[in-house]
Amino acid sequence: AQSVTQPDIHITVSEGASLELRCNYSYGATPYLFWYVQSPGQGLQLLLKYFSGDTLVQGIKGFEAEFKRSQSSFNLRKPSVHWSDAAEYFCAVGGLRSGGSNYKLTFGKGTLLTVNP
Amino acid sequence: EAQVTQNPRYLITVTGKKLTVTCSQNMNHEYMSWYRQDPGLGLRQIYYSMNVEVTDKGDVPEGYKVSRKEKRNFPLILESPSPNQTSLYFCASTYTGGNNEQFFGPGTRLTVL
Repeated sequence: AQSVTQPDIHITVSEGASLELRCNYSYGATPYLFWYVQSPGQGLQLLLKYFSGDTLVQGIKGFEAEFKRSQSSFNLRKPSVHWSDAAEYFCAVGGLRSGGSNYKLTFGKGTLLTVNP
Repeated sequence: EAQVTQNPRYLITVTGKKLTVTCSQNMNHEYMSWYRQDPGLGLRQIYYSMNVEVTDKGDVPEGYKVSRKEKRNFPLILESPSPNQTSLYFCASTYTGGNNEQFFGPGTRLTVL
């Protein structure tokens, strides 16, 4: 069964500081990995995605993530956080399953980011 | 513009009053899915559909029904809503020949009193 763990429920950083949000996944085949961001009262916005190739992927808003197969991780990073980055962040895993029919994304429970001025 | 639309965006209803949340996509995607989001639980899949007239249960299907009579539409039906179905609902679609990138609707916030 596929699963995603985001170990940090809540993270607080100061504006301008660097950020790393952790994500560990379990998946029986080649995973497709995603990070979404959700601002209060808003929908889901895709930040970045990994399908194959270069393990360091760049996304929108200055975010990047690194896929490490040996550690089953897909951590999200940003070198300098802005106040507008305050939101909830979700990591998700999915993929094509041989013989399967469900393209379900399995989400982590989210990490809430607070940014102090 | 490629998009997934949901209606209504907000709904307050009472226990037992049947309701339907509509979902429509204009990308000709075969696969569509419904998720619910609850605090501390992330998003969980309710139902999915691989194509017209092909639907199946996700992880939390109890209390919900779906139909897929047209490729673009995938309504979520709550025949007898209960307070534990108060949640934020997202519809999603994807092209099955690709990389499983799912396009999400804006969400429907449902409150059942």
